[in-house]
Amino acid sequence: QKEVEQNSGPLSVPEGAIASLNCTYSDRGSQSFFWYRQYSGKSPELIMFIYSNGDKEDGRFTAQLNKASQYVSLLIRDSQPSDSATYLCAVNSNGNKLVFGAGTILRVKS
Amino acid sequence: ETGVTQTPRHLVMGMTNKKSLKCEQHLGHNAMYWYKQSAKKPLELMFVYNFKEQTENNSVPSRFSPECPNSSHLFLHLHTLQPEDSALYLCASSQEWLDTDTQYFGPGTRLTVL
Repeated sequence: QKEVEQNSGPLSVPEGAIASLNCTYSDRGSQSFFWYRQYSGKSPELIMFIYSNGDKEDGRFTAQLNKASQYVSLLIRDSQPSDSATYLCAVNSNGNKLVFGAGTILRVKS
Repeated sequence: ETGVTQTPRHLVMGMTNKKSLKCEQHLGHNAMYWYKQSAKKPLELMFVYNFKEQTENNSVPSRFSPECPNSSHLFLHLHTLQPEDSALYLCASSQEWLDTDTQYFGPGTRLTVL
């Protein structure tokens, strides 16, 4: 079983719609959860982190965490073509190690 | 320079060559990391240095040799690599090696082994 699983996509949404990206993880002891965005040929850049169950909002982005279900998601409201990228979910595991999912490709069509 | 920088950005080497990748962070962080990113695979943690001490070696082959002379600089020495080592090598840094610390990535070195 993969430690961090994401649907590889591509997830296609029209401009202005809500994009919903999902991630599940296997380590019940995980406490820290991160979403990174990676444009093609570029390095990952942090979008959000979340530590507590519930929702955390930052502008158009909302991270949702459910530790009981071992599930973390990222919602992008009013999606823009510039949001088209690969979104990486990262979860701390085995202590301080950060384990990444393979990423979900998001395509926002104008 | 700001953030995390890496040189070179692109590197092509033969299997018998020896080369080094360099990473420098300008964020005042104490932890630095090397990751490998292969096509369509998750980022793989290779090494962690915390306060210049190696705290993690994720079963990396000995043909990869890290060096951390101070908290701002990290090197990855490469020798007798294999074609399957071709990948994007990313350096990252964080305040410390804690589960709550955000890691910031450099632009990466695209390595091709012929």
